[in-house]
Amino acid sequence: GIQVEQSPPDLILQEGANSTLRCNFSDSVNNLQWFHQNPWGQLINLFYIPSGTKQNGRLSATTVATERYSLLYISSSQTTDSGVYFCAVVPAGNNRKLIWGLGTSLAVNP
Amino acid sequence: GAGVSQSPSNKVTEKGKDVELRCDPISGHTALYWYRQSLGQGLEFLIYFQGNSAPDKSGLPSDRFSAERTGGSVSTLTIQRTQQEDSAVYLCASSRQGFYEQYFGPGTRLTVT
Repeated sequence: GIQVEQSPPDLILQEGANSTLRCNFSDSVNNLQWFHQNPWGQLINLFYIPSGTKQNGRLSATTVATERYSLLYISSSQTTDSGVYFCAVVPAGNNRKLIWGLGTSLAVNP
Repeated sequence: GAGVSQSPSNKVTEKGKDVELRCDPISGHTALYWYRQSLGQGLEFLIYFQGNSAPDKSGLPSDRFSAERTGGSVSTLTIQRTQQEDSAVYLCASSRQGFYEQYFGPGTRLTVT
């Protein structure tokens, strides 16, 4: 089945720094989503981005489907950005289930 | 509008007991999914319902696990004869027909003692 790899696994930033998180996937996808899991465990939708580029405030994401990767950019990081960032994909075909990466654990220090 | 809701938020049960977890999807969403998040396994798919179609049960880990969806809305995940390895956070998600973006509930943390 499809493999989803995220890097780096852990990241520590000072408040105000920028960062890039990467998601590689091994096969074609119908869907790619980025989530932020906050310290209370809630999964928050960041982007639905099977291809192209989107921006939402300090966050932006780019998916290059032909090269099978997606990038999540966080600019001017804040302590509230701390948590785990997950990339999840729906493989191309007739199914809808999300296949998950292991996440990037981000800590933003004041 | 209201998001996906799940109950209970926490459940502690003794090994061997049965448990029922409930999910109420976003109004108008026809697709409903169950996932499990555990320390050793990360996030994994369990089961998917779409309208009146037969559910995709390919992720259920054993026959102790079952789920139903009544009236195309609320879903119940049942785990029979719980084992310690069933301890995890059980997450429910829903999506609109024809769309792939999934929205998640807050989860039910299950602890089997």
